[in-house]
Amino acid sequence: ETGVTQSPTHLIKTRGQQVTLRCSSQSGHNTVSWYQQALGQGPQFIFQYYREEENGRGNFPPRFSGLQFPNYSSELNVNALELDDSALYLCASSLAGVAELTGELFFGEGSRLTVL
Amino acid sequence: AQSVTQPDIHITVSEGASLELRCNYSYGATPYLFWYVQSPGQGLQLLLKYFSGDTLVQGIKGFEAEFKRSQSSFNLRKPSVHWSDAAEYFCAVGGETYNQGGKFIFGQGTELSVKP
Repeated sequence: ETGVTQSPTHLIKTRGQQVTLRCSSQSGHNTVSWYQQALGQGPQFIFQYYREEENGRGNFPPRFSGLQFPNYSSELNVNALELDDSALYLCASSLAGVAELTGELFFGEGSRLTVL
Repeated sequence: AQSVTQPDIHITVSEGASLELRCNYSYGATPYLFWYVQSPGQGLQLLLKYFSGDTLVQGIKGFEAEFKRSQSSFNLRKPSVHWSDAAEYFCAVGGETYNQGGKFIFGQGTELSVKP
């Protein structure tokens, strides 16, 4: 167990709807990253939050947005859902300045989103 | 552009046999390289990492990997596979956000099946 928890574990939405996914970071971690893992693919970096501000974004449109709260929990919001948004969304927490040196990204088990 | 390629989508080995999973990367400088494992319904777990120094690195669960700069490779090996090693394996390279970490580029994964 990594200490990173995500909710919900599974959910089904229809095209055009909005979704919010939640992540609780490991205790003491101040950075959270979100990844999208489509079926049969590796995780793709969406964005990262540090000190409640976005700190790096991958190739995802603005309808993907996030929040990080003072207690280091985080949300991923996706507006105007499309069929291609169906994927496993992974949250990973880390300690700023440490992740790239130790590889210590601690992943949750993910939220599986299905868009119909 | 940075990229990671795992040429083998699916590999099947017999229990007790040796294993090698291939990973090739494209990166402009000395890469930070990682191998993660993902079991069904689980998040990603770090197996091992390479930053500098000795090109043969040891990880958890008896895995090792060798960094070969001339071949831009970081192949994962295990001398004797156990049935519990059946999982999805991802190679990753450290991304651009070095000041805070967390942005990794993953390969598309290799699914390992183990025959009794």
